[in-house]
Amino acid sequence: DAGVTQSPTHLIKTRGQQVTLRCSPKSGHDTVSWYQQALGQGPQFIFQYYEEEERQRGNFPDRFSGHQFPNYSSELNVNALLLGDSALYLCASSSTGVETQYFGPGTRLLVL
Amino acid sequence: GESVGLHLPTLSVQEGDNSIINCAYSNSASDYFIWYKQESGKGPQFIIDIRSNMDKRQGQRVTVLLNKTVKHLSLQIAATQPGDSAVYFCAESPNQAGTALIFGKGTTLSVSS
Repeated sequence: DAGVTQSPTHLIKTRGQQVTLRCSPKSGHDTVSWYQQALGQGPQFIFQYYEEEERQRGNFPDRFSGHQFPNYSSELNVNALLLGDSALYLCASSSTGVETQYFGPGTRLLVL
Repeated sequence: GESVGLHLPTLSVQEGDNSIINCAYSNSASDYFIWYKQESGKGPQFIIDIRSNMDKRQGQRVTVLLNKTVKHLSLQIAATQPGDSAVYFCAESPNQAGTALIFGKGTTLSVSS
């Protein structure tokens, strides 16, 4: 049973660029949440997707956007990258009505 | 075993000791709580969860205690092993629809043999 997978594992971008991160949920899960984890901090909720719609959003600017596909996989897009966007981006999946979220290994983004 | 009453960012124990990691949560309406273990360079790994209608739940070598009166959560690890070394986070779910998880401050557990 495959767990949550994310790609790429590492990414280096420069300020002002745009980035797309990808996530495939655990088998049987239909809900995908994205989190940002700065070094030494706990994960912070960005948004959650269910039925291809954004269901809830955390305190992140509009530069952060996402998408969910019919196969439940998801993308996180960040525009106009800032140095402060450097972080580990985590994807978590869950099933409808079940609060337990299972995390992927993350994508380490470095903005120079 | 090693025990702390307040949240500390680091906890050092000897192999074989019992460890207790504490966490204060923020929202009295939260009804679901999870402990995650995060090893260096990896994503958080689910350890154990508990609902607000319980005050204790046991797993394999781990026990979670919930005190709703003071909004406090603790994770007890029995017979701590070097492989338990990691950062531990508690998370609360304040929304019954099961959306955002709010993470507490992590505790780095170091186990020496």
